[in-house]
Amino acid sequence: EAEVAQSPRYKITEKSQAVAFWCDPISGHATLYWYRQILGQGPELLVQFQDESVVDDSQLPKDRFSAERLKGVDSTLKIQPAELGDSAMYLCASSLVGGRETQYFGPGTRLLVL
Amino acid sequence: AQSVTQLDSQVPVFEEAPVELRCNYSSSVSVYLFWYVQYPNQGLQLLLKYLSGSTLVKGINGFEAEFNKSQTSFHLRKPSVHISDTAEYFCAVTIPFPIGGGADGLTFGKGTHLIIQP
Repeated sequence: EAEVAQSPRYKITEKSQAVAFWCDPISGHATLYWYRQILGQGPELLVQFQDESVVDDSQLPKDRFSAERLKGVDSTLKIQPAELGDSAMYLCASSLVGGRETQYFGPGTRLLVL
Repeated sequence: AQSVTQLDSQVPVFEEAPVELRCNYSSSVSVYLFWYVQYPNQGLQLLLKYLSGSTLVKGINGFEAEFNKSQTSFHLRKPSVHISDTAEYFCAVTIPFPIGGGADGLTFGKGTHLIIQP
């Protein structure tokens, strides 16, 4: 069964350092989402891509976060500089075309900022 | 903007007993509704979804949910739980296209931790 791949699974970094997370969606899925899940909370959408275009980044803290999906396949989420409050699980999800289609989630990257 | 409220942060239930996890949503337009399950240190897995039609939706692992438009609720139920159902359960909504203009990221509730007691 096809799965969404994410790496790394765990990342520890120091405050003010740069970090990057990678996501490879299920083959053929045009829509890709990045969510952030703080411990004890539900996931919150950071950014949505349709192919290589950003559809929604209204909740992305653009002063420090950036996301790209250059060829419309895999995607990278970057934080620079990392802050203590960025410690969370970063989840990637993909779907065929969005909306009524099921979003399939990867295992996530757990980030700890010291 | 839409929002989701999960009324119980934690629900303890004895094994083989029935369970209901409550979810209420707020939206000025029609929505799609979802229930996801998250096991420790894993991503989320879809249990079931309501898009339209019959208000009773059946999902995987014996779960079902009922959409109630007048009460803006989408409660999740299972007639008999097992130890393996111990997990975090999330209710979520999104706005259908074209109302949402293609921005259809999920809005999640805070989750309900289902604890199965032997």
